[in-house]
Amino acid sequence: AQSVTQLDSQVPVFEEAPVELRCNYSSSVSVYLFWYVQYPNQGLQLLLKYLSGSTLVKSINGFEAEFNKSQTSFHLRKPSVHISDTAEYFCAAGRNTGNQFYFGTGTSLTVIP
Amino acid sequence: DGGITQSPKYLFRKEGQNVTLSCEQNLNHDAMYWYRQDPGQGLRLIYYSQIVNDFQKGDIAEGYSVSREKKESFPLTVTSAQKNPTAFYLCASSQPGLAGENTGELFFGEGSRLTVL
Repeated sequence: AQSVTQLDSQVPVFEEAPVELRCNYSSSVSVYLFWYVQYPNQGLQLLLKYLSGSTLVKSINGFEAEFNKSQTSFHLRKPSVHISDTAEYFCAAGRNTGNQFYFGTGTSLTVIP
Repeated sequence: DGGITQSPKYLFRKEGQNVTLSCEQNLNHDAMYWYRQDPGQGLRLIYYSQIVNDFQKGDIAEGYSVSREKKESFPLTVTSAQKNPTAFYLCASSQPGLAGENTGELFFGEGSRLTVL
């Protein structure tokens, strides 16, 4: 079975500091990888995704993630966080067949002024 | 605007009552999903449907039922058999490729919060 592990349930960080949210997946087959963001009492919004090609993918608001096949990781990074980045972040994997998605348990990012 | 609409946003239910959560999409997506979200547990798949008139159980289908009579609609019924129904429920959709493969992301609704009194 495929699974996604987010190693940190809560990450507090000061404003303008860098942050890394960790994600590891387990799969013996090709996967697609995603990061979603969730603000309180809202649905999830796609932040960025890796389907194929360049292993470094970026979002429009400064986040980036790198697909590392040898370490089965897809960590999310941002060099300088803002207060508005405070949210829950979910890592997810999808197999390229079957159209199912697997989610991690989420990381709560809190940016401290 | 295209998207997914869930209703109601908040719902209260007495024990022993069935309740139906609505999910409508105008994205013309073939696949639709229902997830349950509990604190610290992430998202767990309840049911999914890849095409009209067809659906499959997810990881926690017991106590839930769905129907997919129309492409744009995928209602979820939380029955009295669900032992712990208080949760945040999320509906999502995606568009598979021609061979059924994943081609991108899930699109989510705003969620429905169910509280059993």
